[in-house]
Amino acid sequence: AQSVTQLGSHVSVSEGALVLLRCNYSSSVPPYLFWYVQYPNQGLQLLLKYTSAATLVKGINGFEAEFKKSETSFHLTKPSAHMSDAAEYFCAVSGTGANSKLTFGKGITLSVRP
Amino acid sequence: EPEVTQTPSHQVTQMGQEVILRCVPISNHLYFYWYRQILGQKVEFLVSFYNNEISEKSEIFDDQFSVERPDGSNFTLKIRSTKLEDSAMYFCASSEVRGGNQPQHFGDGTRLSIL
Repeated sequence: AQSVTQLGSHVSVSEGALVLLRCNYSSSVPPYLFWYVQYPNQGLQLLLKYTSAATLVKGINGFEAEFKKSETSFHLTKPSAHMSDAAEYFCAVSGTGANSKLTFGKGITLSVRP
Repeated sequence: EPEVTQTPSHQVTQMGQEVILRCVPISNHLYFYWYRQILGQKVEFLVSFYNNEISEKSEIFDDQFSVERPDGSNFTLKIRSTKLEDSAMYFCASSEVRGGNQPQHFGDGTRLSIL
């Protein structure tokens, strides 16, 4: 079975500050990992994905994430927060092979202070 | 950019009534999914569908739920006799090919409120 843990429910940063959203996973097989973002009243939009190529993955809107197998982590970072980054962020894991259902963490709400 | 569309955006239904949630996946996608998110909880997988068959379903997807691809464009989720606990945001997703490394593209969701 696979699972994702996103500690904390809310992160608040100042505009221009570093964004760090944590994600730890549990998987019995090599995982595929995803970060999705949800803006108010919208669906889930793919930010980036790890699929066993480079361990440092770059996504849209200046976000990146690093896969660390030894720490079973896939934390999301952005060097400088922008007001438009305020949203809910979900980490998700999928198994390899044909089983492609996503298992999500509970999400983290990011607030950006002016 | 092509997108997944879901209708209606909000559905209010009396308990015990049937409800159908509709989705139009991206046109060249072949794999379809339904997820739901109860307020304050995780997004949960319900069912995946390919080639007019259910590929996988969760324990949530009991006999009250069904999915159908009635034509070449729509993908529907039916709840036969709604319960209060079915109140949630329901998301449809699609992917071009199968495999855990393939991104799933999500619609904006249907908020289902059961009274």
